Amino acid sequence: DAGVIQSPRHEVTEMGQEVTLRCKPISGHNSLFWYRQTMMRGLELLIYFNNNVPIDDSGMPEDRFSAKMPNASFSTLKIQPSEPRDSAVYFCASSSGDTIYFGEGSWLTVV
Amino acid sequence: SQQGEEDPQALSIQEGENATMNCSYKTSINNLQWYRQNSGRGLVHLILIRSNEREKHSGRLRVTLDTSKKSSSLLITASRAADTASYFCAAPQGGKLIFGQGTELSVKP
Repeated sequence: DAGVIQSPRHEVTEMGQEVTLRCKPISGHNSLFWYRQTMMRGLELLIYFNNNVPIDDSGMPEDRFSAKMPNASFSTLKIQPSEPRDSAVYFCASSSGDTIYFGEGSWLTVV
Repeated sequence: SQQGEEDPQALSIQEGENATMNCSYKTSINNLQWYRQNSGRGLVHLILIRSNEREKHSGRLRVTLDTSKKSSSLLITASRAADTASYFCAAPQGGKLIFGQGTELSVKP
């Protein structure tokens, strides 16, 4: 199994630009999570989907963030417009039970 | 909101020593999990302990759970330099898995 696949691994963008992060969960997993990790705030859950339906987006910081899961094998997290304080590592994870499996993360730097 | 809080925040030991990390959580849970994160990588699941279990072993890992105190501990025995990583506890809360801030373990050769 290839595991959870995220792209891009690294992105540097200018403030105001749109950023799209992509995730392919493990095949057969019915839950997908987007987390953000920073030194200051640790690992925060932004949103999670169950069977492609957003269940809880209470962790999404503000309207600049949006996430979609058009099918069971693909999800996106979009930031528009991006700001320097969005700089972080964004993790996608998936699960079919209690244990969740993380991707390697997308390292975002907004300058 | 944080469900798990680890203690200590950082731990430095010599190879061969044991490392103990503690986690406290807030609400009733049906399981508690420990994850490991190597620098620059994603988190990897280590072990899950259910609320009806008091202790669980996996290789050099030993996890305990005290539901009356809402606390758990992770013991790594005979540590190795390769155990250097951050360790997180995580507990379910409302269908979500909420992570603590982690313990940064450094094992010196």
